[in-house]
Amino acid sequence: SQKIEQNSEALNIQEGKTATLTCNYTNYSPAYLQWYRQDPGRGPVFLLLIRENEKEKRKERLKVTFDTTLKQSLFHITASQPADSATYLCALEQGNNNDMRFGAGTRLTVKP
Amino acid sequence: DAGVIQSPRHEVTEMGQEVTLRCKPISGHNSLFWYRQTMMRGLELLIYFNNNVPIDDSGMPEDRFSAKMPNASFSTLKIQPSEPRDSAVYFCASSLNTGNQPQHFGDGTRLSIL
Repeated sequence: SQKIEQNSEALNIQEGKTATLTCNYTNYSPAYLQWYRQDPGRGPVFLLLIRENEKEKRKERLKVTFDTTLKQSLFHITASQPADSATYLCALEQGNNNDMRFGAGTRLTVKP
Repeated sequence: DAGVIQSPRHEVTEMGQEVTLRCKPISGHNSLFWYRQTMMRGLELLIYFNNNVPIDDSGMPEDRFSAKMPNASFSTLKIQPSEPRDSAVYFCASSLNTGNQPQHFGDGTRLSIL
């Protein structure tokens, strides 16, 4: 069966450190993968998209990698800040209609 | 730019009642998605539409759930009759119907069935 697993339910780190979140998938062959941020009481907000032929993508303090051999994506936040505290979700396309399936998310807490 | 607009934001009702959730997608977006989010099951896709046509409703849990998209700017998700296990946050999202497009989510409807 198809699965999307995010490494841990919660991750606590100290301000200034790099947060690394993991997304592993099984029985998908995605052309691309997306990462979203969700704050309490709000809908998910799109952050980054990485295609299968891209190894790495960066946006400001965010970096995403995509290894189709390992079937894994890593999401990094460098120089983390308390404002980065949120739940982060990875999403994979199923089919060809922007039909995305989401992981359960990792709740990140950055402590000052 | 107005984002995806959902109403109501909160709904509390008794079991057996009909519940209707509403969504207005971003203008120009031709794909619309309904999701349900719970602690136990995370974010689950219920149904999605392309150009107002339902494409995949395999995520709709039971016949008590139905969704319509009468035009490009409006969609409804209806539960009739509602049950306590339907309590969740329901999200609507929209996107362009081309490859590699992000989805834009509303802020959800928090539904509580007593």
